[in-house]
Amino acid sequence: NAGVTQTPKFRILKIGQSMTLQCTQDMNHNYMYWYRQDPGMGLKLIYYSVGAGITDKGEVPNGYNVSRSTTEDFPLRLELAAPSQTSVYFCASSYSGVGATDTQYFGPGTRLTVL
Amino acid sequence: QQQVKQSPQSLIVQKGGISIINCAYENTAFDYFPWYQQFPGKGPALLIAIRPDVSEKKEGRFTISFNKSAKQFSLHIMDSQPGDSATYFCAAQGAQKLVFGQGTRLTINP
Repeated sequence: NAGVTQTPKFRILKIGQSMTLQCTQDMNHNYMYWYRQDPGMGLKLIYYSVGAGITDKGEVPNGYNVSRSTTEDFPLRLELAAPSQTSVYFCASSYSGVGATDTQYFGPGTRLTVL
Repeated sequence: QQQVKQSPQSLIVQKGGISIINCAYENTAFDYFPWYQQFPGKGPALLIAIRPDVSEKKEGRFTISFNKSAKQFSLHIMDSQPGDSATYFCAAQGAQKLVFGQGTRLTINP
């Protein structure tokens, strides 16, 4: 099992450009999440999905969009990139969202810089 | 209130010492409290977790102490080793989502 994979590892965008961060998991997990990590701020939830075709907003969804057409993939779309979106982005997955057995497994992250 | 407050922001401990990181929460609906460990350039990984019906959980050198009435929980790392140097995040789960603390950068000096 590769677990949770993310591409690209690094990316520099210009203000106003768009891009998609890719996330794939091979653990047949139902739940998938996107977080951003800023220095000294912990991880903030952007969007999450409880299954294919179902997505919902997290704490900081503005400026982002997601889709979940398959169980395995959960891409994050940035439209009109802004410097405030400079961050490290982590994708995570879990079997379910409830209970003590629900470990979230994280990908290696995408470091995004918007200039 | 969905916040989880974590302290200290950074911590330096001598090898063999005890590292202690504290977290506090407000929302009594939280029902699962994991700690994640993150090494530079990597994603966070689950270290240890506790349910609120238990006051303490120990796994090797790592112990979570949980005080439900005070809405506080802490991570203790006994016999701290240089390999424990990492950033540690506490978290609390409610409504199918995790809320993370701000993180503690732990450095173990040899």
